Amino acid sequence: NAGVMQNPRHLVRRRGQEARLRCSPMKGHSHVYWYRQLPEEGLKFMVYLQKENIIDESGMPKERFSAEFPKEGPSILRIQQVVRGDSAAYFCASSPILSLPSEAFFGQGTRLTVV
Amino acid sequence: DQQVKQNSPSLSVQEGRISILNCDYTNSMFDYFLWYKKYPAEGPTFLISISSIKDKNEDGRFTVFLNKSAKHLSLHIVPSQPGDSAVYFCAASDTTGGYQKVTFGIGTKLQVIP
Repeated sequence: NAGVMQNPRHLVRRRGQEARLRCSPMKGHSHVYWYRQLPEEGLKFMVYLQKENIIDESGMPKERFSAEFPKEGPSILRIQQVVRGDSAAYFCASSPILSLPSEAFFGQGTRLTVV
Repeated sequence: DQQVKQNSPSLSVQEGRISILNCDYTNSMFDYFLWYKKYPAEGPTFLISISSIKDKNEDGRFTVFLNKSAKHLSLHIVPSQPGDSAVYFCAASDTTGGYQKVTFGIGTKLQVIP
């Protein structure tokens, strides 16, 4: 029973490149949440998705960031034209439908470094 | 605007003693509160939660207390063990919207000294 899988665990990108972060939810989970943790800060909500639907993207920066959760395959968080300030740990969580917050499980995160 | 505040960035406690981690919140709409534990290079792991209709929830060595009037919650760990050394995040959610967007504090780093 695999947990939430995120890959890659570490990603290094040069300024201006694109970063693609993947999240495979736990089996049976249809809801995915992305969070970002900047250095010395807590986790900040970015986006909440269900299969093929973005439910709440109020935490996403207006430009360069996008997320999807296709019918098949993992959820993808895409950051275009990365800048140094995008360096952070990005965590994905998944939960079953109609669940309590305590039933969301987190992946191990992707640490993005922009050089 | 920090809606969930953890004002102590770190805490050191002797093994066997009680660890008390504190958290304050400002959003009156929060009705569900959680504590997560995080080790370096890992994702947060759910520890314990409490609904706003309760003022205490206990699970083994971990107890969470909620004071709604003061908008304050605390996590008590007793007795503390070296394996408890980690960063602890307080988090809160407004579940009335039909889904849970969890707001996290910045964390308190607990060190339990053997």
